[in-house]
Amino acid sequence: DTGVSQDPRHKITKRGQNVTFRCDPISEHNRLYWYRQTLGQGPEFLTYFQNEAQLEKSRLLSDRFSAERPKGSFSTLEIQRTEQGDSAMYLCASSLEGGDEQYFGPGTRLTVT
Amino acid sequence: AQKVTQAQTEISVVEKEDVTLDCVYETRDTTYYLFWYKQPPSGELVFLIRRNSFDEQNEISGRYSWNFQKSTSSFNFTITASQVVDSAVYFCALRAAAGNKLTFGGGTRVLVKP
Repeated sequence: DTGVSQDPRHKITKRGQNVTFRCDPISEHNRLYWYRQTLGQGPEFLTYFQNEAQLEKSRLLSDRFSAERPKGSFSTLEIQRTEQGDSAMYLCASSLEGGDEQYFGPGTRLTVT
Repeated sequence: AQKVTQAQTEISVVEKEDVTLDCVYETRDTTYYLFWYKQPPSGELVFLIRRNSFDEQNEISGRYSWNFQKSTSSFNFTITASQVVDSAVYFCALRAAAGNKLTFGGGTRVLVKP
């Protein structure tokens, strides 16, 4: 299967700890996106990469959040000093440059206790 | 600013009934794209359709059909002869032609009972 993959699928952490999530996009896709989805809501855009360049960041992405895509392939999303409000599903998506459909991974569900 | 509204939070139907999901959007862009995604209980968003703002032709794909009306800023989705496997949350989304991020509605949960 060559879809978008995310790791881990579930993460439970204590408030104040740092967590890092990984996303592997579809191999030929140049664009990579991160979204956050809280219970009962639609996904909300966090940030977007074209190759290794981070081109857009949402106001939702506070200074405790950082995302990287060092070689233009996989991406990581790190949350420092986690808070209970960070509990959510973190979704990664990818698309072809110039393409329109974003294909989503299974998500990482974060629970901050 | 862009906004997508899905007024129906949950719809429950009996198998074989038709179900229509409403989607109303707001945008100042003249060119944009509209999408529908399905999120089954497993959680992974599945792409269903993309519609360009300049193409108001309705589309049918099997039991799915979409009605795009630019005059009322609506992009409604109908499932004909629903099946239990259609049970999921369905999201409508909007993207500016020159943009990259998707703006999602709040979703409509569809429950199809046998």
